Amino acid sequence: GDSVTQMEGPVTLSEEAFLTINCTYTATGYPSLFWYVQYPGEGLQLLLKATKADDKGSNKGFEATYRKETTSFHLEKGSVQVSDSAVYFCALSRAGGGADGLTFGKGTHLIIQP
Amino acid sequence: NAGVTQTPKFQVLKTGQSMTLQCAQDMNHNSMYWYRQDPGMGLRLIYYSASEGTTDKGEVPNGYNVSRLNKREFSLRLESAAPSQTSVYFCASRSSGPPLPYGYTFGSGTRLTVV
Repeated sequence: GDSVTQMEGPVTLSEEAFLTINCTYTATGYPSLFWYVQYPGEGLQLLLKATKADDKGSNKGFEATYRKETTSFHLEKGSVQVSDSAVYFCALSRAGGGADGLTFGKGTHLIIQP
Repeated sequence: NAGVTQTPKFQVLKTGQSMTLQCAQDMNHNSMYWYRQDPGMGLRLIYYSASEGTTDKGEVPNGYNVSRLNKREFSLRLESAAPSQTSVYFCASRSSGPPLPYGYTFGSGTRLTVV
């Protein structure tokens, strides 16, 4: 079945550091890929998404590129802020847009220190 | 504001008690979902409803039942709560019109503790 693997946390960085959170997936065909963010005590918010190979999703300074050849969707940001501290989830929905839900990675807790 | 509304936000149950978690969306979405979130496990799908009148099991359905009451509402019931069901529960809904990818909207969660 489909699966998503993302780097274990917590990841602790200083403010203005460069961020990479790795995400790889296993799925048939061309799934859609997502990054969700969860701030403390809140639900999940969509951060960015991509639907096909070489698509780049971007939002709030975060970027991720759909790499079919490496089955990856790594999240990057050039200069993180304290307000980026949160849990980040990589997820996929299977090819064809089936209604059977998202498959999530286990989440990466990001801590940004001033 | 349009979105997914879950009630209650917090609940403490004793082992063996029953309860129903409520979820409603006002975005005219066809598909709705229940997930549970546990430390180090990410989110796991309990049940989903692809459309009004249909429900299907997800990855971890044991100990739960669901009802798709109408297009707006999708409830999750614990008939006899167990400590292993202590978790944060999220409801989500999904649009079904183009373009891909179809967007998922999540509620703010219900934090359930079973003692």
